[in-house]
Amino acid sequence: DTAVSQTPKYLVTQMGNDKSIKCEQNLGHDTMYWYKQDSKKFLKIMFSYNNKELIINETVPNRFSPKSPDKAHLNLHINSLELGDSAVYFCASSQELKGYTFGSGTRLTVV
Amino acid sequence: GENVEQHPSTLSVQEGDSAVIKCTYSDSASNYFPWYKQELGKGPQLIIDIRSNVGEKKDQRIAVTLNKTAKHFSLHITETQPEDSAVYFCAPQGGKLIFGQGTELSVKP
Repeated sequence: DTAVSQTPKYLVTQMGNDKSIKCEQNLGHDTMYWYKQDSKKFLKIMFSYNNKELIINETVPNRFSPKSPDKAHLNLHINSLELGDSAVYFCASSQELKGYTFGSGTRLTVV
Repeated sequence: GENVEQHPSTLSVQEGDSAVIKCTYSDSASNYFPWYKQELGKGPQLIIDIRSNVGEKKDQRIAVTLNKTAKHFSLHITETQPEDSAVYFCAPQGGKLIFGQGTELSVKP
């Protein structure tokens, strides 16, 4: 059983399109995150949700909209994709003061 | 703002040697200190962590040491093996959720 699963694993799309990435965790964790990893491997927090409530929203363009239908799911919708959005996006979950469990990542390529 | 720095950014060792990666942080509210290992094509995976009331923790070939006064903690890997080759991240937790820049460890057989 995968603890944090995200789909799709690969996503190739054209500029201007709208796409979604889904994430689900079966660990019973209260907090879920979206991270962006660029080509230099920097991991940057984008959003954090605690029990379906947004608690962190870093300086991310408003073309990115997270949605948490319940505490086990956190989806990421991206409008009007741009070349600079190409990266690997990781979903993660955690309980307070415990380590994160990451998904295996979604490699987004915008052409 | 809060700052997290990892050194070195790349590290190459011979199989069997030891490797040490250091993480320096600025947020004095940090009280949980994990290390993650990211293998190619995978997500980061927690390998060891330490809390602020402990100075050192060991798990087989890996250990973490914490100096809260100086605001740094280090990952130590002994008897390195080729499968230890990966990118390692520190992520001290207090207020902001910031990861270090990563250290690419290469273990040559």
